[in-house]
Amino acid sequence: EPEVTQTPSHQVTQMGQEVILRCVPISNHLYFYWYRQILGQKVEFLVSFYNNEISEKSEIFDDQFSVERPDGSNFTLKIRSTKLEDSAMYFCASSELPQSYNEQFFGPGTRLTVL
Amino acid sequence: AQSVAQPEDQVNVAEGNPLTVKCTYSVSGNPYLFWYVQYPNRGLQFLLKYITGDNLVKGSYGFEAEFNKSQTSFHLKKPSALVSDSALYFCAVRDIGGDSWGKLQFGAGTQVVVTP
Repeated sequence: EPEVTQTPSHQVTQMGQEVILRCVPISNHLYFYWYRQILGQKVEFLVSFYNNEISEKSEIFDDQFSVERPDGSNFTLKIRSTKLEDSAMYFCASSELPQSYNEQFFGPGTRLTVL
Repeated sequence: AQSVAQPEDQVNVAEGNPLTVKCTYSVSGNPYLFWYVQYPNRGLQFLLKYITGDNLVKGSYGFEAEFNKSQTSFHLKKPSALVSDSALYFCAVRDIGGDSWGKLQFGAGTQVVVTP
């Protein structure tokens, strides 16, 4: 069964450093997302991406964040200058079509630890 | 604005007994509702969804959920719980009438513990 994959599974970085989290969505999916889950808190929406553009972003997704689909398979989340409060589990998700009734399929997550 | 509430942090049930995980929602329009399950060190796995039609929807692993519009609820149920059902369960909503038709709004999650 096709699945969303994410690398790395765990990333440790120093405050102020740039990190890139990578995701490979399911191959025929067209709509991509990033969510994050701070330890003990809710899963929060960060951004959605369709047709090489951001469709929607949350208040969390400020200028320090960016997303990119550099090739036909990868979908990346970049944090330019990490802060302690960016420590969280980051989930990538994808859906087949942009219709809102389609379920999203999630990857296993990248645990980001900012020291 | 859309929101989801899962009133129970944890649900404890003995194996073989029925399992219910509660979820209520608030949306400005009509909701699309989803249940996901998260096992330790794994991503969120889709269980089932309500879009329209029959209020009782059936999903993976023997789970089902009942949509109740008047009570704005979408409780997850399983007639006979297994120890392997022990996991973190998330309810999520997407408001098709609001200003967002993409993002999922998640509840806080309910930890299910099934004892042998």
